[in-house]
Amino acid sequence: QVQLQESGPGLVKPSQTLSLTCTVSGGSISSGSYYWSWIRQPAGKGLEWIGRIYTSGSTNYNPSLKSRVTISVDTSKNQFSLKLSSVTAADTAVYYCARVPGSVSDAFDIWGQGTMVTVSS
Amino acid sequence: VIWMTQSPSLLSASTGDRVTISCRMSQGISSYLAWYQQKPGKAPELLIYAASTLQSGVPSRFSGSGSGTDFTLTISCLQSEDFATYYCQQYYSFPWTFGQGTKVEIK
Repeated sequence: QVQLQESGPGLVKPSQTLSLTCTVSGGSISSGSYYWSWIRQPAGKGLEWIGRIYTSGSTNYNPSLKSRVTISVDTSKNQFSLKLSSVTAADTAVYYCARVPGSVSDAFDIWGQGTMVTVSS
Repeated sequence: VIWMTQSPSLLSASTGDRVTISCRMSQGISSYLAWYQQKPGKAPELLIYAASTLQSGVPSRFSGSGSGTDFTLTISCLQSEDFATYYCQQYYSFPWTFGQGTKVEIK
């Protein structure tokens, strides 16, 4: 059973870079035709897709965040990561990593539990 | 960007009720639509993909229909564990987008 687990600082200062890692367990991040994605959710609000990466390294980002986002993958560690630069209070949210099957559909079929990130000085 | 209008935003219902949630797109997306259930403090869970295909392990009381611009999630007989917030999501084109959510609460 594949599981995803987010990790990273829970508090980031304004103008700094938010960095999170998602560790995939129970299976290889490189197996199959999966994409790996990040989604966020401000408290009490809806979901926002941030971007996705394939294990080849190819990425797609939400244009609303594209200038500040970098998603990368480390297949040797079975992890993928999110970096969001120049953060403001508006970036305070629960951040989720998720798997996208790719070959079957592009829905998010497995999610991490989420990690709360607060942007504050 | 494809905009999604999900309705209602709040639905009050009783156990045993049949409930429907609507998701309308600003442009056609064929059947590239998913539905998720989210409970407080938890990650969303995939219920339906490709507009009408039930994800493995999801109870058959959940069903999805529609194509193009209009989609519906139906819960045929509401159970206590179904009180939650539901989101639709399109994956027809980037950026992938979600509906605003429908909270199903106890009447």
